[in-house]
Amino acid sequence: SQQGEEDPQALSIQEGENATMNCSYKTSINNLQWYRQNSGRGLVHLILIRSNEREKHSGRLRVTLDTSKKSSSLLITASRAADTASYFCATDGEAAGNKLTFGGGTRVLVKP
Amino acid sequence: DTAVSQTPKYLVTQMGNDKSIKCEQNLGHDTMYWYKQDSKKFLKIMFSYNNKELIINETVPNRFSPKSPDKAHLNLHINSLELGDSAVYFCASSQNRAAGYTFGSGTRLTVV
Repeated sequence: SQQGEEDPQALSIQEGENATMNCSYKTSINNLQWYRQNSGRGLVHLILIRSNEREKHSGRLRVTLDTSKKSSSLLITASRAADTASYFCATDGEAAGNKLTFGGGTRVLVKP
Repeated sequence: DTAVSQTPKYLVTQMGNDKSIKCEQNLGHDTMYWYKQDSKKFLKIMFSYNNKELIINETVPNRFSPKSPDKAHLNLHINSLELGDSAVYFCASSQNRAAGYTFGSGTRLTVV
């Protein structure tokens, strides 16, 4: 079974709007990472947040982590058509065997 | 200057054949991985090598055999290919788990 589960599975927004997606996981973690995958391409690492951090920013990306709820969110502000992609959360921790375990992803469509 | 390169990008083959996918990274990372992404976009780790030593071997049929001749290369050999092996296979590398993974662009394997 997947350690992380993203919600929603798909998201369609207009250019300029914000996109928010959530990730829930089951076991304790060392860190949580977000990746982007454009259609037909490999995954690109976006941001990593450690278990003792609550919020992290990188450009138009904002990630939060709530370890008490075992959940994380990724916010993309002022979205662009080029942000159209699938976004995956991945968790790393001893409880999951020290391997990076991915959720099923959120497919984001940004319409021009 | 591709950081993690996989070949071939596409592979179409008949059931029962044996095939190999090659992966090379020029990042100087110690750890390399193989992931399988199915048609529903779920990513599942298959193997992980650290400095040529196998450290993660998930429940994968023994028709799949990874080989790491040096820490910059991790190849995947698949014997007696089956229809269910059709998927996209991603190679990745990392220096340590706290830094995120760098993925290759994937090999789309189609077994007919």
